[in-house]
Amino acid sequence: LAKTTQPISMDSYEGQEVNITCSHNNIATNDYITWYQQFPSQGPRFIIQGYKTKVTNEVASLFIPADRKSSTLSLPRVSLSDTAVYYCLVGAGTGRRALTFGSGTRLQVQP
Amino acid sequence: SQTIHQWPATLVQPVGSPLSLECTVEGTSNPNLYWYRQAAGRGLQLLFYSIGIDQISSEVPQNLSASRPQDRQFILSSKKLLLSDSGFYLCAWSRGSELAGNIQYFGAGTRLSVL
Repeated sequence: LAKTTQPISMDSYEGQEVNITCSHNNIATNDYITWYQQFPSQGPRFIIQGYKTKVTNEVASLFIPADRKSSTLSLPRVSLSDTAVYYCLVGAGTGRRALTFGSGTRLQVQP
Repeated sequence: SQTIHQWPATLVQPVGSPLSLECTVEGTSNPNLYWYRQAAGRGLQLLFYSIGIDQISSEVPQNLSASRPQDRQFILSSKKLLLSDSGFYLCAWSRGSELAGNIQYFGAGTRLSVL
């Protein structure tokens, strides 16, 4: 399974765009990149998933370069409610190969 | 739509007592099921996952066990709790037939305090 590396923490202010980068140098051909958000005392929530190039939904954008060795989660115009821990997971397939959550990136949004 | 139920929400148990946490999923069939534990301020530690009834994989050796008596029911148990078993326990499911990325959907969690 591909190992991921993320910054431990990030700080931002309301209204700014936040970019969180995840490194996954040994990503496999059939691996997908998935990001989750977790608030205190809650289970993680799926944000976005991608394989290559760019994916955008109503919450975030995910940028994946051609070599796929990293990915960047982009949160546009963050608010205080975006303060959370963000996890990057890389893997593929069914539950036969369960993915592992790392320590994530703790994002703190200030007013 | 699919929903996942996990209970109880909080639990305080003495050291040496047994444990049973239950998780059920509705609105889907043959899901993959997962149990995680999260220590305070830490990431998620995968404990068990199951791709079908009586097909359970253990990721971390410990005094916990998991069972899947029905397709959409996943139970986490212990015969004798340790202080180190305290934490936030999360159940999750994913579509068993999904080949692309295995997106997991989490329950609300159980906060276990062993005293």
